[in-house]
Amino acid sequence: AQTVTQSQPEMSVQEAETVTLSCTYDTSESNYYLFWYKQPPSRQMILVIRQEAYKQQNATENRFSVNFQKAAKSFSLKISDSQLGDTAMYFCAFMKSAPASGTYKYIFGTGTRLKVLA
Amino acid sequence: DAGITQSPRHKVTETGTPVTLRCHQTENHRYMYWYRQDPGHGLRLIHYSYGVKDTDKGEVSDGYSVSRSKTEDFLLTLESATSSQTSVYFCAISDNNQPQHFGDGTRLSIL
Repeated sequence: AQTVTQSQPEMSVQEAETVTLSCTYDTSESNYYLFWYKQPPSRQMILVIRQEAYKQQNATENRFSVNFQKAAKSFSLKISDSQLGDTAMYFCAFMKSAPASGTYKYIFGTGTRLKVLA
Repeated sequence: DAGITQSPRHKVTETGTPVTLRCHQTENHRYMYWYRQDPGHGLRLIHYSYGVKDTDKGEVSDGYSVSRSKTEDFLLTLESATSSQTSVYFCAISDNNQPQHFGDGTRLSIL
């Protein structure tokens, strides 16, 4: 069974600084997807970034980038130039592609609560 | 925002009563999911659907049932609510190999 581990329950960073959130996963699959979601105090789940396992290039979305290490099964999120609006819970998620059954289920980590300090 | 509406947004009810949560989508996506979110557990999958009348269990399905009679609606039912089912419930939708998009959640309190 797949597992996703976020080992940092809480983190803080000064505004304008850079912070990295860790995520490791365990799977025997070769084809899968990884995601980072942000959940601000409003409770919405917002997709931050997506990585496809067969792509070696690390995904980037503006100030958000990932360091995807497939052999190490590591998928960390780097937030550059942190802003107060980045304060949120961040969840790492793994999705196995299962074409035979047509299901695309997520496994979530337990989250990292990030606070950006003014 | 993806067209996903959860109702109600908040509900307080008593132990032993039936509760139904509704998820409505306007995206015509094939897949729909119900999760619960609890501190220290992240989001855990309760049930999911891969088409009309096609549903299956997730990792925490005990005490819950679902129905999907049409593409746009996915209902989650607690037949006899218990205090352990107090949680925030999220609905999500997706299509093949696409990220899931989430509704705004329902906060359910069972007293």
